[in-house]
Amino acid sequence: ETGVTQTPRHLVMGMTNKKSLKCEQHLGHNAMYWYKQSAKKPLELMFVYNFKEQTENNSVPSRFSPECPNSSHLFLHLHTLQPEDSALYLCASSQGDREIYGYTFGSGTRLTVV
Amino acid sequence: AQKVTQAQTEISVVEKEDVTLDCVYETRDTTYYLFWYKQPPSGELVFLIRRNSFDEQNEISGRYSWNFQKSTSSFNFTITASQVVDSAVYFCALSDVSSKLTFGKGITLSVRP
Repeated sequence: ETGVTQTPRHLVMGMTNKKSLKCEQHLGHNAMYWYKQSAKKPLELMFVYNFKEQTENNSVPSRFSPECPNSSHLFLHLHTLQPEDSALYLCASSQGDREIYGYTFGSGTRLTVV
Repeated sequence: AQKVTQAQTEISVVEKEDVTLDCVYETRDTTYYLFWYKQPPSGELVFLIRRNSFDEQNEISGRYSWNFQKSTSSFNFTITASQVVDSAVYFCALSDVSSKLTFGKGITLSVRP
């Protein structure tokens, strides 16, 4: 366990489905992040939350909808996804919303859109 | 804009060989941070090292060493006497004080017995 727990580890969904990814940390961190990792591409930052408030949205399509009910939990709600959205989705947390504090990553959710 | 280039995509070595993973970065900032992360098959990114732009001292941690050269904008990572457990994807990353991490594309290292 890394301190950041992501569920599920694997998810296969159809393009018309609605599903949610969950991330949980009990490290006392205030900032949480969603990253997308596609094959042969750099990790892409999607969203940043600091003290439950969204501080960054990197032009992510609206079919991805984040939710941060408290500093320990972060969700990514998915609906009407495309096959190109298939990727590893990584959650991370840090003490502050600057990397100088050090990120802790989860193991990711491997998403396949069929 | 920040950029991290990991020109090597895949490296394969035999156990006990030394291997160097290259990282070249671009930034206009004078204050920035450089990182290396390891991603084993289990998926999570494991933090290995953070270096700030004012500290050019090379660092050694066991079989791992890092060579930071501001003159060439490089932050290379060497694994000495590689082991099978070193097989993973390794990411170099960069951030300045006001932005988030920018990652390179990663290098897949395979260490064969």
